[in-house]
Amino acid sequence: EPEVTQTPSHQVTQMGQEVILRCVPISNHLYFYWYRQILGQKVEFLVSFYNNEISEKSEIFDDQFSVERPDGSNFTLKIRSTKLEDSAMYFCASSEALAGGPRETQYFGPGTRLLVL
Amino acid sequence: AQKITQTQPGMFVQEKEAVTLDCTYDTSDPSYGLFWYKQPSSGEMIFLIYQGSYDQQNATEGRYSLNFQKARKSANLVISASQLGDSAMYFCAMRESTNAGKSTFGDGTTLTVKP
Repeated sequence: EPEVTQTPSHQVTQMGQEVILRCVPISNHLYFYWYRQILGQKVEFLVSFYNNEISEKSEIFDDQFSVERPDGSNFTLKIRSTKLEDSAMYFCASSEALAGGPRETQYFGPGTRLLVL
Repeated sequence: AQKITQTQPGMFVQEKEAVTLDCTYDTSDPSYGLFWYKQPSSGEMIFLIYQGSYDQQNATEGRYSLNFQKARKSANLVISASQLGDSAMYFCAMRESTNAGKSTFGDGTTLTVKP
């Protein structure tokens, strides 16, 4: 069964460093998303991406964040200058289409656990 | 206001019994979808079941069923014949047609299945 994959599974970085989290969405999916989950808290939406551009972003997704689809398969989240409060699990998700609005299921990857020291 | 409310931080159930996890939601959008995800201790998010706002029947997927009461704005997850492997965090989530695909999650319910 096709699945969303994410690398790395764990990342430890120093405050102020840049990190790139990588995702390979399900191959026929058109919509891609990033969510984060701070330890013990709820899952929070960061950004959605379609047709090579951001379609929606939350207030969390400020100028230190960026997303990119550098080739036909990868979808990346870059955090330019990490802060302690960026420590969280980051989930990538993808869905087949959005034409029907909320019907399409978002399938999540296994997550990248980011720890900023 | 909370869009998704899960009032049970933790639940216990005996193995082989059924359990209901509560979820209420708030939206003025007539078109929306409700989802349940399971998050085991390993951290991944596993899709379980979906209910659309216009669906006439309650969704079912194997041992999972969704008790959808639209007028009450509730979408409770029912797990029948609980297994030890069902012990996990369970999240209710909603997507609205006006929000371009963004899912809003509840705080989650930790389910523990006792042998």
